[in-house]
Amino acid sequence: EVQLVESGGGLVQPGGSLSLSCAASGFTFKNYDMHWVRQVPGKGLEWLSSIATAGDTYSPASTQGRFSISRDNARNSLFLHLTNLEVGDTAVYYCARGSVVARPFSYDHYYYMDVWGKGTAVVVSS
Amino acid sequence: EIVLTQSPGTLSLSPGERATLSCRTSQSISSSHLAWYQVKPGQAPRLLIYGTSNRATGISDRFSGSGSGTDFTLTISRLEPEDLAVYYCQQYGRSPRIFTFGPGTKVEI
Repeated sequence: EVQLVESGGGLVQPGGSLSLSCAASGFTFKNYDMHWVRQVPGKGLEWLSSIATAGDTYSPASTQGRFSISRDNARNSLFLHLTNLEVGDTAVYYCARGSVVARPFSYDHYYYMDVWGKGTAVVVSS
Repeated sequence: EIVLTQSPGTLSLSPGERATLSCRTSQSISSSHLAWYQVKPGQAPRLLIYGTSNRATGISDRFSGSGSGTDFTLTISRLEPEDLAVYYCQQYGRSPRIFTFGPGTKVEI
């Protein structure tokens, strides 16, 4: 069964740091881009960071410098290191598998997140 | 930066009715790069549609996607109570590489 399981969430004080993990199983982890997405309570989905199969990373300006993504293909694991946390970072953090599939009869590709974990909750509070 | 706008914000319909959800992008995008996700209360997101109109594995044929350029639509035919959820569109941009989610449409049954 294809599965992603996040861990590492919890209560942290403002200004603190936290490392999240995502354990992958049921597929060849090294062959997929991986992503982190969060949902602040009552708000929508927010893309946080991505890491490609070759290890290159990309993220929105809003998380650059505070959030750092990494992967360990030997351990089938994805990580997100959160620093200088703010109350507004309180959210459920999800890891997601990214698929990049060639579009038939085209030079283009489909890009989407097809497998999601159940998430891990991070609460930033004093 | 491409901005996604979804409408309506909330859609209240009865079982058996048809739901039409709109996603508009601030710039024209490749139809290959538009996906739709469903988030039910207390659950993780689930991929419904990728490449504007391709249903993900295991997704009911009651869900269909269409559109091009800046206007995209998710249609749910014959609504069922289990379709209660928030639906998000998402686009991928290649340069710079970026994923953007729309604000979501809440479907109430």
